[in-house]
Amino acid sequence: QSVLTQPPSVSGAPGQRVTISCTGSSSNIGAGFDVHWYQQLPGTAPKLLIYAYSNRPSGVPDRFSGSKSGTSASLAITGLQAEDEADYYCQSYDSSLSARVFGGGTKLTVL
Amino acid sequence: EVQLVESGGGLVQPGGSLKLSCAASGFTFSGSAIHWVRQASGQGLEWVGRIRSKADSYATSYAASLKGRFIISRDDSKNTAYLQMNILGTEDTAVYYCTRVIVAGSGMDVWGQGTTVTVSS
Repeated sequence: QSVLTQPPSVSGAPGQRVTISCTGSSSNIGAGFDVHWYQQLPGTAPKLLIYAYSNRPSGVPDRFSGSKSGTSASLAITGLQAEDEADYYCQSYDSSLSARVFGGGTKLTVL
Repeated sequence: EVQLVESGGGLVQPGGSLKLSCAASGFTFSGSAIHWVRQASGQGLEWVGRIRSKADSYATSYAASLKGRFIISRDDSKNTAYLQMNILGTEDTAVYYCTRVIVAGSGMDVWGQGTTVTVSS
């Protein structure tokens, strides 16, 4: 049971917009700790996609965006492409655990 | 090229120990915190622990679930971080990644390719 809750799977057709939620609590996202998002393509290491809720590292397309509301964060992907098919993880810090925590991951399928 | 390369994975018997290495290149290793993250086959990412830089007194922190069995260290002269794993159980079987955090709030921006640890008799 992950401290950060993500939907196990989402799907969308090419060109569509999808969102992935990451629900936390008052000891992590709600406490103001940064949320980061990672993309893991099959058989590869994770890659930083969004840091500090809504910032994109150099090279990440602006089709990817992040936001926060209360104790939750969201990742939005617009103009869905076949190469976006991957697992996506949110990550934050939990003050009760004194530890970095990851969401359980969401598998994105491009139909 | 900014890079992290893990090594030292392999097959180990339950109750045994293993030491992983994480070699850095292409950036100022001494100024970065290094985290270890693991991923069991078909499962999600699990944070293992981290070691901060000399400026932050090489402070370490670990996931509580490890119950003190793992120790993270670093040798800045060799641009290398280590993960000493003791009293290994089958639940420790996973791919182990090292990753870099430059400053708080920047996320884990560089990842190694991972090294596989298999605990089995």
